[in-house]
Amino acid sequence: DTAVSQTPKYLVTQMGNDKSIKCEQNLGHDTMYWYKQDSKKFLKIMFSYNNKELIINETVPNRFSPKSPDKAHLNLHINSLELGDSAVYFCASSQEIFGGYRDTQYFGPGTRLTVL
Amino acid sequence: AQTVTQSQPEMSVQEAETVTLSCTYDTSESDYYLFWYKQPPSRQMILVIRQEAYKQQNATENRFSVNFQKAAKSFSLKISDSQLGDAAMYFCAYRSAQYGNKLVFGAGTILRVKS
Repeated sequence: DTAVSQTPKYLVTQMGNDKSIKCEQNLGHDTMYWYKQDSKKFLKIMFSYNNKELIINETVPNRFSPKSPDKAHLNLHINSLELGDSAVYFCASSQEIFGGYRDTQYFGPGTRLTVL
Repeated sequence: AQTVTQSQPEMSVQEAETVTLSCTYDTSESDYYLFWYKQPPSRQMILVIRQEAYKQQNATENRFSVNFQKAAKSFSLKISDSQLGDAAMYFCAYRSAQYGNKLVFGAGTILRVKS
C-alpha cells in the first residue's frame, strides 16, 4: 500500500500552460505539505495544510495555488508555467503539526515537472 | 530564520567501512527537532533518523547514529558497516518546535559507496 502517492510522476509541458499535480495520503494524517526540489537538489517548503486549512505559505508566486478538498488530498495547481518552474515537487504528510513522533513527515515519490 | 549547512557536497566510503556526514545549523530556539533524510536515485525521500533537541542521548537506528552537539549546533550522521544500498543523497533538516512544521533542509551530501 502506498502511503503518500502523487500523480503524475513525470510531467512535460510548454511554457504558459496550466497544470495540476495531485497528492493523496492514506495514513490518516491531518497535515500535508508541498516541497520544491530545484535542479541543484535544494529542497524548500512551499505550502502546508492542516485539516484543509492553509498553515504555511512561503514566498511562492501566486501562480501556484494549493487546493485541499479533504484531509487526505492536497493538489497543486500551477498557472502560466515558466521555465523556472521546472523542478521535482514533493508532497508530504504528517499526523500533527506539533508533538513527538507524530509530526514526522512522510514524503511521496515526487513529480518531475519539465517546462519547455 | 533557521539555516542548515552541509559542508560536504560529496563523500565516499568503502563498503563495510564507517563514514560521518556533517551538518551544522543556526537557530536561536532552544527546542527543535533534527532529521536526516536519504534520497536514493529513485528520488524517494526516506527518513533515516531523528533527534529531539531536549534529549541529550544521541539517536541510533541500527547502523545509523548521530552525534548531536547542541552547544555547537552540530548534528552529524554516522553510518557504520556501509552497504552499497546506502549510496544516496543525504539531507539534514531542522524543524522548529514552535513555528509550524516546516522542514528546513541543508543542501545535501552525495554519498558514494565503493565495493
